[in-house]
Amino acid sequence: GDSVTQMEGPVTLSEEAFLTINCTYTATGYPSLFWYVQYPGEGLQLLLKATKADDKGSNKGFEATYRKETTSFHLEKGSVQVSDSAVYFCALSDPYNQGGKLIFGQGTELSVKP
Amino acid sequence: GAGVSQTPSNKVTEKGKYVELRCDPISGHTALYWYRQSLGQGPEFLIYFQGTGAADDSGLPNDRFFAVRPEGSVSTLKIQRTERGDSAVYLCASSTSGNFRTNEQFFGPGTRLTVL
Repeated sequence: GDSVTQMEGPVTLSEEAFLTINCTYTATGYPSLFWYVQYPGEGLQLLLKATKADDKGSNKGFEATYRKETTSFHLEKGSVQVSDSAVYFCALSDPYNQGGKLIFGQGTELSVKP
Repeated sequence: GAGVSQTPSNKVTEKGKYVELRCDPISGHTALYWYRQSLGQGPEFLIYFQGTGAADDSGLPNDRFFAVRPEGSVSTLKIQRTERGDSAVYLCASSTSGNFRTNEQFFGPGTRLTVL
């Protein structure tokens, strides 16, 4: 079945460092791809999304490009801040289910030190 | 405006008991989803409602789990004869439509269920 695999955490970076969190997926069809973020003590919220190949989603300085040839959707940010400390989840929307259920990776915890 | 709310925020119960978890979606959202998140894992899909009907319940682990949405708004997830393995955070999400390409799901804070 469809699945999402993320790099394992925790990832610890110093402020202003470059961030990459790897995400690859397996899907039968042509999914939409998402990054969700969970800040400490808060609920999951959508960070960015891409709905077709070569689309780039971006928000709050984060970017991810939908790469169909490598089945990847890696999350990047050029300069992280302490406030970016959170758990990041890569997810896809099942193309065979028009209801849009999300299939999530296991999450990657990011800790940014001042 | 108000986001998705879930009650209770925490629920502790004994093995074999019955529990109900409530989700109040964003007003006007027709699609409602339940997910379960175990410690250190990503959320796993349980069930999806479009309006009052369960359009996809393929994620419910067994027949001890049941969910309803009788008026197309509030939903209740019901778990019978709880087991220790049911302990997890139960998340509810809602969206304006079931279009998988464009929908943004808005998540509630979750209910942490602990089965002793």
